[in-house]
Amino acid sequence: AQSVTQLGSHVSVSEGALVLLRCNYSSSVPPYLFWYVQYPNQGLQLLLKYTSAATLVKGINGFEAEFKKSETSFHLTKPSAHMSDAAEYFCAVSEDTPLVFGKGTRLSVIA
Amino acid sequence: DADVTQTPRNRITKTGKRIMLECSQTKGHDRMYWYRQDPGLGLRLIYYSFDVKDINKGEISDGYSVSRQAQAKFSLSLESAIPNQTALYFCATSDLQGREETQYFGPGTRLLVL
Repeated sequence: AQSVTQLGSHVSVSEGALVLLRCNYSSSVPPYLFWYVQYPNQGLQLLLKYTSAATLVKGINGFEAEFKKSETSFHLTKPSAHMSDAAEYFCAVSEDTPLVFGKGTRLSVIA
Repeated sequence: DADVTQTPRNRITKTGKRIMLECSQTKGHDRMYWYRQDPGLGLRLIYYSFDVKDINKGEISDGYSVSRQAQAKFSLSLESAIPNQTALYFCATSDLQGREETQYFGPGTRLLVL
């Protein structure tokens, strides 16, 4: 069965520092992988998705993620954190529908 | 206007009351979902529907029921609310293209059961 593990329920970075949010998945077939972002008091918004076209996926707001099959990982990165990046981030996997979500990582950005 | 809307946005109710949360979408998607979000637990799937005549239980369907009144409308009911159903509830829609599916979320309904 498919599953997702997000390492770290809370990550804190300084403004301008690298953002790295970790996601590992379990899937019996080549998966589709997603990152969603939830800003305070809002719904989830798609950040980026991996659908097997390219292992490095670029998303909105300068985020990107790399699919590494050998490590069963799909970590989310951004070179330079901005205050507006403070939010909760969810990784999700789909072998087949519906999506299975991780428990989320709350990102705090310190000025 | 938002593509996926949820009403109400906030609701306070008492234990034992029946309440309904409504979801409407203008995206023309066949697939609709209800999730609940609890701190530290992420999103958990309650029910989903692939078309008007198709309803499926998710991970945590006990204590909930749903109705798919039309392609655009999917309602979630709590027959007899209890305090541990206090949570943030999200509706989502999706459009399957081959094996690829992306879900689009509503703004959420915050429910407090006293």
